[in-house]
Amino acid sequence: EAGVAQSPRYKIIEKRQSVAFWCNPISGHATLYWYQQILGQGPKLLIQFQNNGVVDDSQLPKDRFSAERLKGVDSTLKIQPAKLEDSAVYLCASSVIAGVNTGELFFGEGSRLTVL
Amino acid sequence: AQSVTQLDSHVSVSEGTPVLLRCNYSSSYSPSLFWYVQHPNKGLQLLLKYTSAATLVKGINGFEAEFKKSETSFHLTKPSAHMSDAAEYFCVVYSSYGKLTFGQGTILTVHP
Repeated sequence: EAGVAQSPRYKIIEKRQSVAFWCNPISGHATLYWYQQILGQGPKLLIQFQNNGVVDDSQLPKDRFSAERLKGVDSTLKIQPAKLEDSAVYLCASSVIAGVNTGELFFGEGSRLTVL
Repeated sequence: AQSVTQLDSHVSVSEGTPVLLRCNYSSSYSPSLFWYVQHPNKGLQLLLKYTSAATLVKGINGFEAEFKKSETSFHLTKPSAHMSDAAEYFCVVYSSYGKLTFGQGTILTVHP
């Protein structure tokens, strides 16, 4: 079974530039998550999708971050314009369905963003 | 709101000695708790989970954790550390509708 795929693995940009990250979840997984992991901290949820609808985006900085999952499969996270504090690893995860108390999310290897 | 606190940011042990990674939780009701592991340049992986069944939970690679309601703790242990256990470990609480809240992480170093 293929895992969660993310690209690019690494990205270096200058502040005020834009960047986009792509995620393809495990086939059949209805729920998709984007987490931000800043060095030395635990992952923080940015946005959660159930199929192509947003379940939780309360911690997404909507003035600069956007995410979509148009067909309920893969997803894109965009940052525009980037700030220095956006330097982090962006993790995508998927699970079969939210609300089922398994707690098991399947994570991709992450996309490491460095903003100079 | 539910949260977890990992009491040690770094733990260092010798190979073959016991491992103890400490986690305390805060919850207004009986929580679901998890431990995830992150090896360098790898994705996070579920190690074990507690969902109000047995209070002693066994996970992969010989790890186990005990849920203690009276102490609001969910410490992770392993009797004998292996070099391959070196990684970062996250204590996690299940909040609502599939949302996981992560602790700050504990980096485990294993010396030969």
